[in-house]
Amino acid sequence: EDKVVQSPLSLVVHEGDTVTLNCSYEVTNFRSLLWYKQEKKAPTFLFMLTSSGIEKKSGRLSSILDKKELFSILNITATQTGDSAIYLCAVETMGAGSYQLTFGKGTKLSVIP
Amino acid sequence: EPEVTQTPSHQVTQMGQEVILRCVPISNHLYFYWYRQILGQKVEFLVSFYNNEISEKSEIFDDQFSVERPDGSNFTLKIRSTKLEDSAMYFCASGGYTEAFFGQGTRLTVV
Repeated sequence: EDKVVQSPLSLVVHEGDTVTLNCSYEVTNFRSLLWYKQEKKAPTFLFMLTSSGIEKKSGRLSSILDKKELFSILNITATQTGDSAIYLCAVETMGAGSYQLTFGKGTKLSVIP
Repeated sequence: EPEVTQTPSHQVTQMGQEVILRCVPISNHLYFYWYRQILGQKVEFLVSFYNNEISEKSEIFDDQFSVERPDGSNFTLKIRSTKLEDSAMYFCASGGYTEAFFGQGTRLTVV
């Protein structure tokens, strides 16, 4: 059974802090790893990572994948209260002709002023 | 920016009734998915759809569920004979080769 494990499950930081969220996985037929931010409703796409060692960056967020050790990290620098959300890691695997996402339980990030 | 659209945003139904949840995926995407999230729990895969047919489905997606792409733009999830435990947020997603976007979800409440 495909498994995606995120840590920590929750995190409270002060504005301006830097945080690192972890995601490890054990799956068959890995295709990519995706990070999402979930606030009130739908997960919002952040990054898709397919290659090891190549950092993806968007503003204060960055992420990298290690396909040998089977994990990814999501970094958020200079955190703001608007970063408070659940961050979901999902691994995309290839089945018979299509893909599916297996999600971790998420890391709940709370940024306090 | 293209987006996945879901309707309705909230549906309340009586146990035993049938519901149809609707989604309009992003037009040039090839893969379509339904996920659900029971309150407080993780997002769970239900089914993926490619080339006008189901390509993967989870154990959750039993005979109570069906999907259709009736007209080339809409993508529907039908839940027959709803049960209390079907209450959840249902997310539609569509994907290309470098991204997978989710709709805003339909909150289904079975009473």
